[in-house]
Amino acid sequence: ELKVEQNPLFLSMQEGKNYTIYCNYSTTSDRLYWYRQDPGKSLESLFVLLSNGAVKQEGRLMASLDTKARLSTLHITAAVHDLSATYFCAVDRGYGGATNKLIFGTGTLLAVQP
Amino acid sequence: DTAVSQTPKYLVTQMGNDKSIKCEQNLGHDTMYWYKQDSKKFLKIMFSYNNKELIINETVPNRFSPKSPDKAHLNLHINSLELGDSAVYFCASSQNRDYHQSGYYNEQFFGPGTRLTVL
Repeated sequence: ELKVEQNPLFLSMQEGKNYTIYCNYSTTSDRLYWYRQDPGKSLESLFVLLSNGAVKQEGRLMASLDTKARLSTLHITAAVHDLSATYFCAVDRGYGGATNKLIFGTGTLLAVQP
Repeated sequence: DTAVSQTPKYLVTQMGNDKSIKCEQNLGHDTMYWYKQDSKKFLKIMFSYNNKELIINETVPNRFSPKSPDKAHLNLHINSLELGDSAVYFCASSQNRDYHQSGYYNEQFFGPGTRLTVL
C-alpha cells in the first residue's frame, strides 16, 4: 500500500529564514501535488509536478520532484507570516483508465514567527 | 462564481440520526470525490464518481452512501451517525481529461468543507 510521509510535522520558523519540507512516498509515481490549507479552510492547490526533475516556483515557494528517490521537496525562501498554514503533499496513484487516486501526506504545520 | 460548493458548512447532530451533505461543482469536471479529514488533519479519500458512475469506494462503513444525480453533483448520506463520524468532510472535483506524457493527471479542487459534529 502506498504510504506518504512528510517531515517535519510541525515547523516553527522566523520571518526571513529559509526551510524545506520533505515528502517521501513508498511506491512508484511520477505525479505529485502540493496543497495549502489555512485553519478552518479548504485545500488550495499550489503545485502540480508531473515528471522526474520537475521544478515549479510561485513567489517564495518552490517545489521539486525526484521520482527515483521518491521524494518531493517544498522549499520556503525568506518566510513571511502569510505563509503560515498546513502544507500537504499528495501522490497520484493511478486507478485505471482515466481515474486517479490521491494519497495525502500527513501534513506539515508551518508557523512563521515575526 | 464558487467552483466547488458544499452545504451545510456546519452540521451538529445526535448519535443515531441520519444526515446528508450536498456538493456541487460548476467547473465542468468529470470526476467528484468525498474525503474525510480527521481531528489530526489526516485526509483520506472515501469515494469517487466519474460521470455519475462510482469508481473508487474505499473501506467505508455501509452507513455512508454517496449519490450522484448528475456529474455536477455528489451528495453524501450518512445513516445512524456515530461519534467517530465527527470530522470535516471535503468534496473535490477534477478534470481527468488533463493529460501529460506520463498519462492522465488529477489536480483536484476542493470545496470549503462540512464540519460534522456528532454528540
